[in-house]
Amino acid sequence: EPEVTQTPSHQVTQMGQEVILRCVPISNHLYFYWYRQILGQKVEFLVSFYNNEISEKSEIFDDQFSVERPDGSNFTLKIRSTKLEDSAMYFCASRLQGYNSPLHFGNGTRLTVT
Amino acid sequence: SQQGEEDPQALSIQEGENATMNCSYKTSINNLQWYRQNSGRGLVHLILIRSNEREKHSGRLRVTLDTSKKSSSLLITASRAADTASYFCATDAEYGGATNKLIFGTGTLLAVQP
Repeated sequence: EPEVTQTPSHQVTQMGQEVILRCVPISNHLYFYWYRQILGQKVEFLVSFYNNEISEKSEIFDDQFSVERPDGSNFTLKIRSTKLEDSAMYFCASRLQGYNSPLHFGNGTRLTVT
Repeated sequence: SQQGEEDPQALSIQEGENATMNCSYKTSINNLQWYRQNSGRGLVHLILIRSNEREKHSGRLRVTLDTSKKSSSLLITASRAADTASYFCATDAEYGGATNKLIFGTGTLLAVQP
């Protein structure tokens, strides 16, 4: 069964550094999302992406965050200048339709900011 | 408060018993979905129930939806130790825009004792 893959599985970075989290969504999916989860807590929406542009973003997704789909397969989340509070699990997800369809999640990237 | 809130927050049962988790939400929805998360892993879709459905079954899972009360329940029958995980409800808003983000609840941590 096709799956969403995320790399790296764990990223450690120093405060103020830039990180890029990578995702390869399921190939025929059209809608892409980033979520984050702090220490097993609530899964929080960050951003949705469709037709090569951001559709919606949350308050968390400030100017330090950006997303790109540089080619037909990769979907990246960049954090420009990391803060301690950015430490979390970041999940990429994709789905075939924009509604009434399930999200398919990757296994996440654990980001630790020191 | 949150769009989706599950209760209980934690549930511990013996193998073979049934587990019931509840979810409440606030806005009108297209559908409600349940996901499972094993520790440190991504979320896995379990079942989707549309707003015009009242009950749905999938294997040992039974989901109900009461749109008048804005609530849903997930029943896992004849639980197994392998069902130990966190369970999240997620709502797909009725007027969520092009990409209709899913809003996740706070989750129920289920522990099934062998």
